[in-house]
Amino acid sequence: QVQLQESGPGLVKPSETLSLTCTVSGGSISGYYWSWIRQPPGKGLEWIGYIYYSGSTNYNPSLKSRVTISLHTSKNQFSLRLSSVSAADTAMYYCATTSSHSQWYFDLWGRGTLVTVSS
Amino acid sequence: DIQMTQSPSTLSASVGDRVTITCRASQSISSWLAWYQQKPGKAPKLLIYKASSLESGVPSRFSGSGSGTEFTLTISSLQPDDFATYYCQQYDTSPWTFGQGTKVEIK
Repeated sequence: QVQLQESGPGLVKPSETLSLTCTVSGGSISGYYWSWIRQPPGKGLEWIGYIYYSGSTNYNPSLKSRVTISLHTSKNQFSLRLSSVSAADTAMYYCATTSSHSQWYFDLWGRGTLVTVSS
Repeated sequence: DIQMTQSPSTLSASVGDRVTITCRASQSISSWLAWYQQKPGKAPKLLIYKASSLESGVPSRFSGSGSGTEFTLTISSLQPDDFATYYCQQYDTSPWTFGQGTKVEIK
């Protein structure tokens, strides 16, 4: 079955850019929407944005000015870049998707990767 | 953004109890609501979508109801594996937003 796996640096310095990759295995990246969701330690969940296999994107307005989500179809991967990070961006970052083509719940999640913003 | 408010924030219950968690939306979201269960160190797991549809493989003791602005997640008979944090999520209007979570603890 389809599995998601996040990867990337666990430590990022303030003001720098956070970069993460999600690898999709067991299925194709085509035909679906791919999201990033984050969760600060001990807090709730925040949807960051999605990319469709066509390349179209939709970002949370609260992060839109700093976020870029990209698709790497040949590698069956998609990525997240978050610029100008601060301690407030310290969180567990999850990639996730929905098997539905019409509803926006998340039925498949990666295990998550913890990113700490600190000098 | 649509605000999602869950109550209570923490709930203490015993095995076998019937448990109800409420989620309220700041505006109508029709039935576009999902419920998730999250255990420490794990990713959230989808339990319910479209307010009352049970995700495949989820035990039937979990049920969801509601529409518009008020929704409930019910666990009919709490099992040891159910002690976790539960989140609601609206997907009526982007940005999709989550409730702050309800932690179900052992009494």
